[in-house]
Amino acid sequence: AQTVTQSQPEMSVQEAETVTLSCTYDTSESNYYLFWYKQPPSRQMILVIRQEAYKQQNATENRFSVNFQKAAKSFSLKISDSQLGDTAMYFCAFMKGRDDKIIFGKGTRLHILP
Amino acid sequence: DTGVSQDPRHKITKRGQNVTFRCDPISEHNRLYWYRQTLGQGPEFLTYFQNEAQLEKSRLLSDRFSAERPKGSFSTLEIQRTEQGDSAMYLCASSPPVVSRDTEAFFGQGTRLTVV
Repeated sequence: AQTVTQSQPEMSVQEAETVTLSCTYDTSESNYYLFWYKQPPSRQMILVIRQEAYKQQNATENRFSVNFQKAAKSFSLKISDSQLGDTAMYFCAFMKGRDDKIIFGKGTRLHILP
Repeated sequence: DTGVSQDPRHKITKRGQNVTFRCDPISEHNRLYWYRQTLGQGPEFLTYFQNEAQLEKSRLLSDRFSAERPKGSFSTLEIQRTEQGDSAMYLCASSPPVVSRDTEAFFGQGTRLTVV
């Protein structure tokens, strides 16, 4: 069974700094999908960024980028120039195939300090 | 497109009562997921549908939980004989067909259940 591990329960950084959230996963599949979701306080979950395992190039979305290390089964999220609005729970997620379920990690609570 | 809609947003019930939640997915999304989330934790998979077919149900889910998706549109999640441990946020998500460019799930705002 696939598992997703986020080893940082909580992090705090100053506004405008860069922060990296860690995620590791376990799977025997060769192709799969990885996601980072953001859940602001009392608000719904939204997608931050996604990565398809067969693509070697790391995904980027504006200030958000990932470091995907397939051999190490690592998928970290880097937030550059952090903003107060980035304060949220961040969940790493794994999907085996496009018609499969999504498995989430336990999350990292990120605080951006003014 | 109004996004994934869940009803009710909040539900308080007495232990032992039955409750039913509804989820309306984004139109043309053929996959629909149910998750349970407790405070400070990640979403825990409960079950998911492709069209009207229930493809998988979590082994952690007791027989008191049942979900349906008649006609492959909206879905309902019913909890029978509720227990205090059922108190949680119940999240619904939908995702487009496999042939779509998008792969991710889109989430609703959730139904917060409190069992007293």
